Amino acid sequence: AQKVTQAQTEISVVEKEDVTLDCVYETRDTTYYLFWYKQPPSGELVFLIRRNSFDEQNEISGRYSWNFQKSTSSFNFTITASQVVDSAVYFCALPPSSGTYKYIFGTGTRLKVLA
Amino acid sequence: GAVVSQHPSRVICKSGTSVKIECRSLDFQATTMFWYRQFPKQSLMLMATSNEGSKATYEQGVEKDKFLINHASLTLSTLTVTSAHPEDSSFYICSARAGEWGSYNSPLHFGNGTRLTVT
Repeated sequence: AQKVTQAQTEISVVEKEDVTLDCVYETRDTTYYLFWYKQPPSGELVFLIRRNSFDEQNEISGRYSWNFQKSTSSFNFTITASQVVDSAVYFCALPPSSGTYKYIFGTGTRLKVLA
Repeated sequence: GAVVSQHPSRVICKSGTSVKIECRSLDFQATTMFWYRQFPKQSLMLMATSNEGSKATYEQGVEKDKFLINHASLTLSTLTVTSAHPEDSSFYICSARAGEWGSYNSPLHFGNGTRLTVT
């Protein structure tokens, strides 16, 4: 079965601290993708990144970086030098498995960055 | 690219009335759109999958007569909450997949959401 676990319900950090959001997944597929989304207080979910299971290289985009480890089924997201604007709920997600249609979202991690 | 527009962003209605929410893919065609409901501080709950030109597929527990979905074109899906009651108050979000031929590995792109309050 497909499953995404985000064990951290809420994290609070002080501005400029680094923070890592954890994501652990389960999938029966041998080839798959993973996504991260950001939901700021305004409500819109913003697509951040898609990674595929073939590529375990870390991805960096500005202050954002992602660490994908197939061995531990984890796809963690790190924000470096956090800013107040990073305050949001972050969701990790799996696209539909073969023969299914549902995207599987984790329960989200609420990040609060304090000034 | 891959912009999804959802309207209205907020609506307040009286109990017993119906509310229509529109979801448009602005720069791509979406054969499939997804409607989610989100309760405060919770994850997304899939309500139904909207397929262009055919009937929507509803998730278990979602009343199809209460939440009418129409996907009349490749760029527009609508959700109508019929005879709304206070318990229908929630945040409704639509999404669409913008990938080549709707590839299952394409990410979903979301509208801004509609906050419905039924008084």
